[in-house]
Amino acid sequence: QVQLQESGPGLVKPSQTLSLTCTVSGGSISSDSYYWSWIRQPAGKGLEWIGRIYSSGSNNYNPSLKSRLTISVDASKNQFSLKLSSVTAADTAMYYCARADAVFGVVVTWGQGTLVTVSS
Amino acid sequence: EIVMTQSPATLSVSPGERATLSCRASQSVRSNLAWYQQKPGQTPRLLIYGASTRATGIPDRLSGSGSGTEFTLTISSLQSEDFAVYYCQQYNNWPWTFGQGTKVEIK
Repeated sequence: QVQLQESGPGLVKPSQTLSLTCTVSGGSISSDSYYWSWIRQPAGKGLEWIGRIYSSGSNNYNPSLKSRLTISVDASKNQFSLKLSSVTAADTAMYYCARADAVFGVVVTWGQGTLVTVSS
Repeated sequence: EIVMTQSPATLSVSPGERATLSCRASQSVRSNLAWYQQKPGQTPRLLIYGASTRATGIPDRLSGSGSGTEFTLTISSLQSEDFAVYYCQQYNNWPWTFGQGTKVEIK
């Protein structure tokens, strides 16, 4: 059974870079069947798809975040990562890594989520 | 970006009653529409994909319908475990987008 686990700082200062890593266990990140994704959810609000990356390394970013966003994959470690630069309080949210079916575009596996707060 | 609009924001229903949740897309998403359920402190759970196909383990009292821009999630007889927030999500166009959610609460 594939499991995902986010890791990274829970507190980031304004204007700095938010960095998170997702470790995949129980399966290979090199599978052709999935997009490896980051999704976030501010407290009490809805879900926003941040971006996705395929095992080949090709990625797609949400245009609203594209200028600040980098998503990469490290197949040797079975991990993928998120970097979001120039953060503000508006980036405070629960961040989920997720495995999305490449055909149906739906999340089939979620990480437990990690709360990131942007504050000085 | 395709905007997904869910209604109502909150639905108050008695156990055993029927609940009907709506999701509208700002442009056609064909049948590329999913529904998720989220309970407090938990990650979302996939319920429906392809607008009407139930995910593994989802009971048949939950059903999805619609295509194009208008979609419905119906829960035929609400059980205690169904009280939660429900999100629709389109995966027809990138960026994939979610609705703002409908909270189903006990009346």
